[in-house]
Amino acid sequence: QSVLTQPPSASGTPGQRVTISCSGSSSNIGSNYVYWYQQLPGTAPKLLIYRNNQRPSGVPDRFSGSKSGTSASLAISGLRSEDEADYYCAAWDDSLSAVVFGGGTKLTVL
Amino acid sequence: QVQLQESGPGLVKPSETLSLTCTVSGGSISSYYWSWIRQPPGKGLEWIGYIYYSGSTNYNPSLKSRVTISVDTSKNQFSLKLSSVTAADTAVYYCARDLAVTHSLGYFDLWGRGTLVTVSS
Repeated sequence: QSVLTQPPSASGTPGQRVTISCSGSSSNIGSNYVYWYQQLPGTAPKLLIYRNNQRPSGVPDRFSGSKSGTSASLAISGLRSEDEADYYCAAWDDSLSAVVFGGGTKLTVL
Repeated sequence: QVQLQESGPGLVKPSETLSLTCTVSGGSISSYYWSWIRQPPGKGLEWIGYIYYSGSTNYNPSLKSRVTISVDTSKNQFSLKLSSVTAADTAVYYCARDLAVTHSLGYFDLWGRGTLVTVSS
């Protein structure tokens, strides 16, 4: 059971907009930044969003992040086949004094 | 550019200690927080702990009694030891750099490729 809750799966067709949710609590998302990671099959995770809604250099602006209260979301617009991957949210938890991850969402491009 | 590389045995016997090293190349380890993260086959990510270059550490409460993370700044390396391993510790182990400054850790901008460690007799 992960501290942050994500849907196990999501899907969309090419060109569509998809959102992935991440639900937490006041001790993690509610009081700290949220980060998003993309993990392509057989590779290490890659930072996709930092500080709730900032994109590292090289990440397409099709990817966007938002946070409200104790929940966060990752949106992917103009879905492409290469976006098929596992997506994880993460945050620091003040109560646990630990980095916590969501269980991951497997995105399928139909 | 800065790169991370994990190294260590790929097979560890039950009840023994898992030992891994992460070598930082192309840059200095003397800044930032450095973390270990693992991923059991087919499952999600689990943060194990971090070490700051000065030597201060923090561990996942669920693993705290078995984990030690250390740093050797002269070799630009940091290491993980996990004691009394069982099959449940079988996972791909990643080392990562955390760009967070003083709070809101979890900002992993650089990752090693990961190394699979299997616990089996």
